[in-house]
Amino acid sequence: AQSVTQLGSHVSVSEGALVLLRCNYSSSVPPYLFWYVQYPNQGLQLLLKYTSAATLVKGINGFEAEFKKSETSFHLTKPSAHMSDAAEYFCAVSSSGGSYIPTFGRGTSLIVHP
Amino acid sequence: DTGVSQNPRHKITKRGQNVTFRCDPISEHNRLYWYRQTLGQGPEFLTYFQNEAQLEKSRLLSDRFSAERPKGSFSTLEIQRTEQGDSAMYLCASSYGDLEGDTQYFGPGTRLTVL
Repeated sequence: AQSVTQLGSHVSVSEGALVLLRCNYSSSVPPYLFWYVQYPNQGLQLLLKYTSAATLVKGINGFEAEFKKSETSFHLTKPSAHMSDAAEYFCAVSSSGGSYIPTFGRGTSLIVHP
Repeated sequence: DTGVSQNPRHKITKRGQNVTFRCDPISEHNRLYWYRQTLGQGPEFLTYFQNEAQLEKSRLLSDRFSAERPKGSFSTLEIQRTEQGDSAMYLCASSYGDLEGDTQYFGPGTRLTVL
């Protein structure tokens, strides 16, 4: 079985501030982990994914995430928020335990204040 | 690469009517997925195809839901006898290569409203 928990349905930051979006996963076998972004009226777009090659994963738009097995976490960060980062962010997990079909978290809405 | 397209983008229907949505994947992609997304939730997996074979359909929400991909290219999702609880965004995604850890490319979705 696999599952994802995203802590905080909304995160509010000021422009230029650090962005931290939290994701904790549960998987009985080694997981693949993903972060997707969804802008209003658009589909989901992959930001980055963890495939066991490296624990620190760099993605598009300056985002990165670190896989921490001991904490079962895959938090998403960006050093300096832009107004254009305002969107919904989804963490997802897939594994052999789930037939490699991803399970998504409920999402975190990132609000960026000027 | 024109991306994944979905039609229609919006559908309003009355309870009890049947609706059909279409998804056109990225041309070289052999896998196609359908998801449902309700307000405040992440995408919920419904079914997927590898080429024309439907490999997982146990998570379709009820027997009112069915999907086809007859020639391994576009796919349709049909909901029969719609209910108000079917109101949601229906997302399609496609991918290729190894199933393990594959990257899915999502379409913009079809928003269904059942009155």
